[in-house]
Amino acid sequence: NAGVTQTPKFQVLKTGQSMTLQCAQDMNHEYMSWYRQDPGMGLRLIHYSVGAGITDQGEVPNGYNVSRSTTEDFPLRLLSAAPSQTSVYFCASRTADPLSYNEQFFGPGTRLTVL
Amino acid sequence: RKEVEQDPGPFNVPEGATVAFNCTYSNSASQSFFWYRQDCRKEPKLLMSVYSSGNEDGRFTAQLNRASQYISLLIRDSKLSDSATYLCVVNRGSSASKIIFGSGTRLSIRP
Repeated sequence: NAGVTQTPKFQVLKTGQSMTLQCAQDMNHEYMSWYRQDPGMGLRLIHYSVGAGITDQGEVPNGYNVSRSTTEDFPLRLLSAAPSQTSVYFCASRTADPLSYNEQFFGPGTRLTVL
Repeated sequence: RKEVEQDPGPFNVPEGATVAFNCTYSNSASQSFFWYRQDCRKEPKLLMSVYSSGNEDGRFTAQLNRASQYISLLIRDSKLSDSATYLCVVNRGSSASKIIFGSGTRLSIRP
């Protein structure tokens, strides 16, 4: 099992550009989430999904869109990149099984710089 | 005030020392508690869950104090490989929106 994979690992954008961060998991997990991690801020939830076709906003959703057309994939789209979106982005997945849903499995992250 | 607070450190201790971190949470509705470990420039990984009765996993001991609303992590006989950032995580429910991460405590073990 590859677990949670993310592409790209690094990305530099100019202000105003758009792009999609890819996330995929092969563990058949129902729940998937996107976080951003900034120094001193901890992980902050951007968007999350409880299953294919269902998404919801987290703490910091502005400037980002998501979709969940399959169980495996959960792409994050930056609509018009801003320097404030410079961050490390982590995708995570977990099972919906209440006996074990507390453990989140994270992808390796995407380091994004917006100039 | 952040809902989950941690001393950012860094804690710089010699190999073999015992080190302890605390994490405080403000929402009394918090249900479950965890410690994650994050190596430099890597993703977080679950280290251990924290139970009311306290739990131990080798050199690591986690404690929960609901009355004072804090959890702790104790590392005994620290190794160089323990150098990492330790994230406190508090769940207020099953939804991702109710999982709150602390900003982490950085630990550096010196030879």
